[in-house]
Amino acid sequence: GNSVTQMEGPVTLSEEAFLTINCTYTATGYPSLFWYVQYPGEGLQLLLKATKADDKGSNKGFEATYRKETTSFHLEKGSVQVSDSAVYFCALRSGGSQGNLIFGKGTKLSVKP
Amino acid sequence: NAGVTQTPKFQVLKTGQSMTLQCAQDMNHEYMSWYRQDPGMGLRLIHYSVGAGITDQGEVPNGYNVSRSTTEDFPLRLLSAAPSQTSVYFCASRSAIANTGELFFGEGSRLTVL
Repeated sequence: GNSVTQMEGPVTLSEEAFLTINCTYTATGYPSLFWYVQYPGEGLQLLLKATKADDKGSNKGFEATYRKETTSFHLEKGSVQVSDSAVYFCALRSGGSQGNLIFGKGTKLSVKP
Repeated sequence: NAGVTQTPKFQVLKTGQSMTLQCAQDMNHEYMSWYRQDPGMGLRLIHYSVGAGITDQGEVPNGYNVSRSTTEDFPLRLLSAAPSQTSVYFCASRSAIANTGELFFGEGSRLTVL
């Protein structure tokens, strides 16, 4: 079945450090891929997405490239800020009218000043 | 624009009690879903609905019932609460027509079962 595996956390970085959160997936066909972010005490919100191979999603300085050859969708940011502290979830949506999202377990990021 | 509204935000139950978590959305979304979030487990799909009158099971449906009598509302019922149902519950919706895949989440309902 479809599944998402993302790196275990927590991840602690200093402000302005480079961030990578690894995400790999298993799916049949050509899923759409997403990164969602959850700030403390809030629900999840979409950070970025990519719907086909080699697409790059980007938002708020974060980027992720849909790599079909390595079944990966790693999240990167060149210079993190304290305000980026949150839990990040990788997710996939396979085709079909139901289109349920399957989430990874989440990676907690803490950024220190 | 309210988006997805969940009530209550916090609830404590005793084992065996019943309750309903309410979810309402004002975006005219066809698709609605319930997830539970547990430490180290990520989000797991409980039930979902692709339109009024249509519901289906997700990954972890046991112990939960849902109904979808209107487009706006998608309540989640616990008929006999168990400590294993202690969790944070999220309702989410999206447009089926837009097909962008973006889910809009409520702020969550934290349930503790003693």
